[in-house]
Amino acid sequence: GNSVTQMEGPVTLSEEAFLTINCTYTATGYPSLFWYVQYPGEGLQLLLKATKADDKGSNKGFEATYRKETTSFHLEKGSVQVSDSAVYFCALSGNQFYFGTGTSLTVIP
Amino acid sequence: DGGITQSPKYLFRKEGQNVTLSCEQNLNHDAMYWYRQDPGQGLRLIYYSQIVNDFQKGDIAEGYSVSREKKESFPLTVTSAQKNPTAFYLCASSTEGGHSNTGELFFGEGSRLTVL
Repeated sequence: GNSVTQMEGPVTLSEEAFLTINCTYTATGYPSLFWYVQYPGEGLQLLLKATKADDKGSNKGFEATYRKETTSFHLEKGSVQVSDSAVYFCALSGNQFYFGTGTSLTVIP
Repeated sequence: DGGITQSPKYLFRKEGQNVTLSCEQNLNHDAMYWYRQDPGQGLRLIYYSQIVNDFQKGDIAEGYSVSREKKESFPLTVTSAQKNPTAFYLCASSTEGGHSNTGELFFGEGSRLTVL
């Protein structure tokens, strides 16, 4: 079946540090992969997506590459800001959507 | 602007009462979803609907009910049979449901239900 395994948090970084949040998946067929972000007290917003192998999704300085050979979709950002503090969810879509458990990121000045 | 509106944002309920959470979308999306979010557990699917007058149970449907009488509306009722209803509830929609693998989800702002 389909599933997403996401790096557990919480993660605390200093401003301008490099960020990696690991995500691996199990899927039948060729799903699309997503990263969503949730700010406190709000719903989820789409951060980026990739629909096929080797695609790179990017938005607001965040990037993730769809790696079929390693079944991974790791989220990276070269220099985080305090405003990036949020919970990040990796997800895949097949016959329904499957979400990871979320990784809480806190960026301190 | 197009989007998904959930109401109320905060709701308090006494044990034994049913409550209904509203979800309205003006995105003209066919598919709509209800998720429950608990700390450290990510999102769990309660119910989803791919088309008007049709809906399917998700992973944790017990104690919940839904209806889909209009394309834009997908209300969720939390019944007294739900043993631990305190949670954050998220409604979402997508352009495609079922076996599509390209559509993305659009979320509402959520409704926080607390049982007193």
